[in-house]
Amino acid sequence: AQSVTQLDSQVPVFEEAPVELRCNYSSSVSVYLFWYVQYPNQGLQLLLKYLSGSTLVKSINGFEAEFNKSQTSFHLRKPSVHISDTAEYFCAVKNTNAGKSTFGDGTTLTVKP
Amino acid sequence: DTGVSQDPRHKITKRGQNVTFRCDPISEHNRLYWYRQTLGQGPEFLTYFQNEAQLEKSRLLSDRFSAERPKGSFSTLEIQRTEQGDSAMYLCASSEGPSGRATDTQYFGPGTRLTVL
Repeated sequence: AQSVTQLDSQVPVFEEAPVELRCNYSSSVSVYLFWYVQYPNQGLQLLLKYLSGSTLVKSINGFEAEFNKSQTSFHLRKPSVHISDTAEYFCAVKNTNAGKSTFGDGTTLTVKP
Repeated sequence: DTGVSQDPRHKITKRGQNVTFRCDPISEHNRLYWYRQTLGQGPEFLTYFQNEAQLEKSRLLSDRFSAERPKGSFSTLEIQRTEQGDSAMYLCASSEGPSGRATDTQYFGPGTRLTVL
């Protein structure tokens, strides 16, 4: 069985400040890791993913996440946030041999001016 | 690029009624997934198909729930005798499958919001 824990349910931050959204997972097998973003009244959008290779992965809008196997973590970071980054962020894990993904309960990022 | 589409986007029904939702995946994707999302929680897996074969069902999927993908393209999710606890956002996703270059990354539709009165 797999599980995902997003350690912070809400993260308020001022515009242009750095942010880290924390994600820990548990699994007895190899996994792929994902971050999805959900803007108000919209569907889930893939933000970035770790499949293999370099443990640091980046998105086109400045987010990055680092896979840490020893700590079973996949924290999401951005050095300087914008108002438009306000959204719900979901961490997900998927067994490399299975179909379904297991999601965390989400972190609400609120960027204040 | 049409993405994953779902219909309807919103459904309000009375307790005890049956409802059916439709999902159209990205055209070249052979895997299709259904998830349920309630307020304050992440999506919970319900079931998924590889082409027309239903490969896995969650224990969350009670006997009142049934999903089909008859020709390996679109899928339907039916809920019979709806209950207030069925109120949620029902999400559909699709992926290329394990042989695809994207390594089975799931892409989500906008969801169908069900309200059971």
